[in-house]
Amino acid sequence: IAGITQAPTSQILAAGRRMTLRCTQDMRHNAMYWYRQDLGLGLRLIHYSNTAGTTGKGEVPDGYSVSRANTDDFPLTLASAVPSQTSVYFCASRETDRGNSPLHFGNGTRLTVT
Amino acid sequence: EDKVVQSPLSLVVHEGDTVTLNCSYEVTNFRSLLWYKQEKKAPTFLFMLTSSGIEKKSGRLSSILDKKELFSILNITATQTGDSAVYLCAVTSGAGSYQLTFGKGTKLSVIP
Repeated sequence: IAGITQAPTSQILAAGRRMTLRCTQDMRHNAMYWYRQDLGLGLRLIHYSNTAGTTGKGEVPDGYSVSRANTDDFPLTLASAVPSQTSVYFCASRETDRGNSPLHFGNGTRLTVT
Repeated sequence: EDKVVQSPLSLVVHEGDTVTLNCSYEVTNFRSLLWYKQEKKAPTFLFMLTSSGIEKKSGRLSSILDKKELFSILNITATQTGDSAVYLCAVTSGAGSYQLTFGKGTKLSVIP
């Protein structure tokens, strides 16, 4: 079934540890995104990639990095996790970044930083 | 800064009721407005609206956009318990590369 796969589903991580959240899509979408969702704050954009080889910063990029080596994969790395990064992380994609196609979401990764 | 505001934040109704959810926005270079339904996991796409006054409809759900007054509504008629979810509104805007700004959502609870 075509879609977006995120891994892991959930993770408990000690503060200071490095963690990579994985995201793979098989829809050949050009644009990919990472959001975090927190109670009372909604979905906030962390980083995005309009096409393979390019990335950009969203609303809340500090403490996170991304790479886009190919069309399908868009990993999100926390270099040194802090408790404020406890959140649910959603990876999303759409055909292009032109704003005329809907965003499709993965099922999310629930991350707890202790 | 782009803003998307949804109201109400939460709503409790009885099965069979009709509900209207609101979304207003202030963005630069509007492109489209999208509605999503989020139950336990990923938001699922409902509608994308780009033109004023044209209703989009899917079963008991419908939505319309007013680009002059900068808002959209999502209507759900004859609500069912399965409609209980958080409904998210998002606006695509920008220049060159279009990003989505999400509202905080409306939590709808439908009780039997």
